[in-house]
Amino acid sequence: DIQMTQSPSSVSASVGDRVTITCRASQGISSWLAWYQQKPGKAPKLLIYAASSLQSGVPSRFSGSGSGTDFTLTISSLQPEDFATYYCQQANSFPSTFGQGTRLEIK
Amino acid sequence: QVQLVESGGGLVKPGGSLRLSCAASGFTFSDYYMSWIRQAPGKGLEWVSYISSSSSYTNYADSVKGRFTISRDNAKNSLYLQMNSLRAEDTAVYYCARLWGYSYGSTYYYYGMDVWGQGTTVTVSS
Repeated sequence: DIQMTQSPSSVSASVGDRVTITCRASQGISSWLAWYQQKPGKAPKLLIYAASSLQSGVPSRFSGSGSGTDFTLTISSLQPEDFATYYCQQANSFPSTFGQGTRLEIK
Repeated sequence: QVQLVESGGGLVKPGGSLRLSCAASGFTFSDYYMSWIRQAPGKGLEWVSYISSSSSYTNYADSVKGRFTISRDNAKNSLYLQMNSLRAEDTAVYYCARLWGYSYGSTYYYYGMDVWGQGTTVTVSS
């Protein structure tokens, strides 16, 4: 199975900050990577697919990059509604696997 | 609007069974692969199973293989998860989700899970 490792596990930031979250796959997955945002008590929401494509309706301050084994999710200017937990997921093969999550907290 | 609504969760004793349902609306259900994902209390997301659009293909996480069965009824726009021999570690919120992707030959390439239900809670405890 492909293991997905996110870093950091948690990060504190302020409104307006730029934040980057990293996801590393245990083997190459080309660009088959998705990013999700999850708020407490809610279902995850797809933000980025194919490593760098923005899902419809997602604000342009979110961006993704990377291929192979190393990927990043960047939020260019944090807004109050962005404080949540973020997960990466490899879509290269089954079993599909998620990173352990990155909790983005208000500083 | 595009929507998935899960039901069937509850409290069950270890070794017991439960059947989850997921009702789809607002899209052509029979065109999509579907999946179940779960989240234990305070933990991350764990993919559980998927089923192809015509039920020809299924796949399971090792943690549930042999105990859980995914199925669907395209005439009823519904997805199911039959859970047997339940264990305490199966306690979680269970989400159904639409697998967004495309078929090429015998392979399904998917971009991600673009529609999720609100989740149904399963608690396994004596």
